[in-house]
Amino acid sequence: AQRVTQPEKLLSVFKGAPVELKCNYSYSGSPELFWYVQYSRQRLQLLLRHISRESIKGFTADLNKGETSFHLKKPFAQEEDSAMYYCALNGGDKIIFGKGTRLHILP
Amino acid sequence: NAGVTQTPKFQVLKTGQSMTLQCAQDMNHNSMYWYRQDPGMGLRLIYYSASEGTTDKGEVPNGYNVSRLNKREFSLRLESAAPSQTSVYFCASSEQGKYGYTFGSGTRLTVV
Repeated sequence: AQRVTQPEKLLSVFKGAPVELKCNYSYSGSPELFWYVQYSRQRLQLLLRHISRESIKGFTADLNKGETSFHLKKPFAQEEDSAMYYCALNGGDKIIFGKGTRLHILP
Repeated sequence: NAGVTQTPKFQVLKTGQSMTLQCAQDMNHNSMYWYRQDPGMGLRLIYYSASEGTTDKGEVPNGYNVSRLNKREFSLRLESAAPSQTSVYFCASSEQGKYGYTFGSGTRLTVV
């Protein structure tokens, strides 16, 4: 079965501290994974794709096929990082989303 | 630079009323999608259209219908609204999902 699991509903981190948002997936083939971000009452925006190995707004994510994970990381949290983050998997004809993690940056 | 445009942005309906949510994209994408977003439930796929002329059910299609009017437009219809359909609805489009989705700004629907 194709599935994306984000185990944390809420993650609170102090400003300047490292951030790691966890994502695990279940997929039988070669996965294509994404992270989306949604700032308060705005549309979802693509943050990064694993195939492009980008670093957007200081965030990176590495695909670990052995652990079937695609965790999102940032070394130093900023207040403007407070948002909802969704991990997503290309399931062929549609993208499968996790339930999301709300990241709250504490001052 | 419009991307995906959704109308209306807000709507309040009475139980039993009908309405159509409109979505249009100007990126020449083949695939279009309708999701609903509820607290604690994440994004759930209602219907999608992999290409012009085709539509398929997603995870939560009951109570909804869709029309892929042409390559640009994909509408979502609630025939008889229920309070359980109170949600934020997002339309998205993609080129076969490979490069991710582009989302619209959402429609906040309340059914009373």
